[in-house]
Amino acid sequence: SQQGEEDPQALSIQEGENATMNCSYKTSINNLQWYRQNSGRGLVHLILIRSNEREKHSGRLRVTLDTSKKSSSLLITASRAADTASYFCATDNTPLVFGKGTRLSVIA
Amino acid sequence: SQTIHQWPATLVQPVGSPLSLECTVEGTSNPNLYWYRQAAGRGLQLLFYSVGIGQISSEVPQNLSASRPQDRQFILSSKKLLLSDSGFYLCAWGQDNNEKLFFGSGTQLSVL
Repeated sequence: SQQGEEDPQALSIQEGENATMNCSYKTSINNLQWYRQNSGRGLVHLILIRSNEREKHSGRLRVTLDTSKKSSSLLITASRAADTASYFCATDNTPLVFGKGTRLSVIA
Repeated sequence: SQTIHQWPATLVQPVGSPLSLECTVEGTSNPNLYWYRQAAGRGLQLLFYSVGIGQISSEVPQNLSASRPQDRQFILSSKKLLLSDSGFYLCAWGQDNNEKLFFGSGTQLSVL
């Protein structure tokens, strides 16, 4: 099963700044999903982008998908301390597999 | 609405003891069910997934096993725990297209 690989492994920013994390994958996909995991909790689905979409927004989240480069990015604008979490991407496979994630720390 | 229950929240077990973690889903039928394990500060490792009753696929050889005795019940077991079995265990469910997985709150297992 293919898994996405998130980059960077860790990211530390000041509150109010934007956070960008990336996901790369190896084979063609129908869709790509992003999840958030707060420490000690289960993952929560954030957003899904389909292969025929280039950009998608949800609140302060902006996801892009470049199928030619086999990559996606997740942008969190105007970050808050509550955005501190690990972020994972997953591509459309059965079973769904995840990478190691990006650990985001937002410092107040 | 759909909900997923996973218990217990924390568990401390001695090496060599058995294990049984249970996960149940409510409000949906014939879900795909997953068990993942996460070592401290690491990514998620897929352990088992199931697309139907009695249908279990194992992703990683180990001393763990899974069973699905009912449509919305998924059980993770071990006859004899190893130190390396320590970790955070997550159950999840999704529909056929897996376009969104819903996760339980997890079980923190410490094997001592």
